[in-house]
Amino acid sequence: AQRVTQPEKLLSVFKGAPVELKCNYSYSGSPELFWYVQYSRQRLQLLLRHISRESIKGFTADLNKGETSFHLKKPFAQEEDSAMYYCALSRGGTSYGKLTFGQGTILTVHP
Amino acid sequence: DGGITQSPKYLFRKEGQNVTLSCEQNLNHDAMYWYRQDPGQGLRLIYYSQIVNDFQKGDIAEGYSVSREKKESFPLTVTSAQKNPTAFYLCASSLLGSSGPSGRGEQFFGPGTRLTVL
Repeated sequence: AQRVTQPEKLLSVFKGAPVELKCNYSYSGSPELFWYVQYSRQRLQLLLRHISRESIKGFTADLNKGETSFHLKKPFAQEEDSAMYYCALSRGGTSYGKLTFGQGTILTVHP
Repeated sequence: DGGITQSPKYLFRKEGQNVTLSCEQNLNHDAMYWYRQDPGQGLRLIYYSQIVNDFQKGDIAEGYSVSREKKESFPLTVTSAQKNPTAFYLCASSLLGSSGPSGRGEQFFGPGTRLTVL
């Protein structure tokens, strides 16, 4: 069975510092990986997906199949980045659309 | 305001009672999902449905039941058999195809219902 692990429950950085939220997965096939974000008093929403290879709000994430990781990075954190971040995996195939989420990381960016 | 809605926002239940949480979407999405969100445990999938009149158990289906009589609606019943029902419940929907603005894997979430068992 697939599994997503986010080792840090809490992560604190100062404004302007680099930030990296870790995500590791276990799955024998070819997964699709995603990062979802939940800002205070807002709904959980998609931040980015690995297949798009895009940068959203300055965040990037590279899928490393060798290390089975999909870490989320931003070179200069902003206070508005403070939120709960979830890494998620989709197996595709008959489980198309079904996501497995990690435990989540609460990021706090201090002024 | 379109999208996906959940009601009520807060729900209180006495032990031994069943309670139903509502989830409606007007996005014309094929698939709908119910998750439970607990601190430190992330989102865990309870049930999901990819088509009307069909649904599958997720990872923690025990003590829950669902129905999918209409494409727009996917209500979740928390039964008295659920041993620890106090939690935040999230409903989501998604397209199943890869076309369209929402590609594979993007789920749209409702605002959630906080259930407290007294």
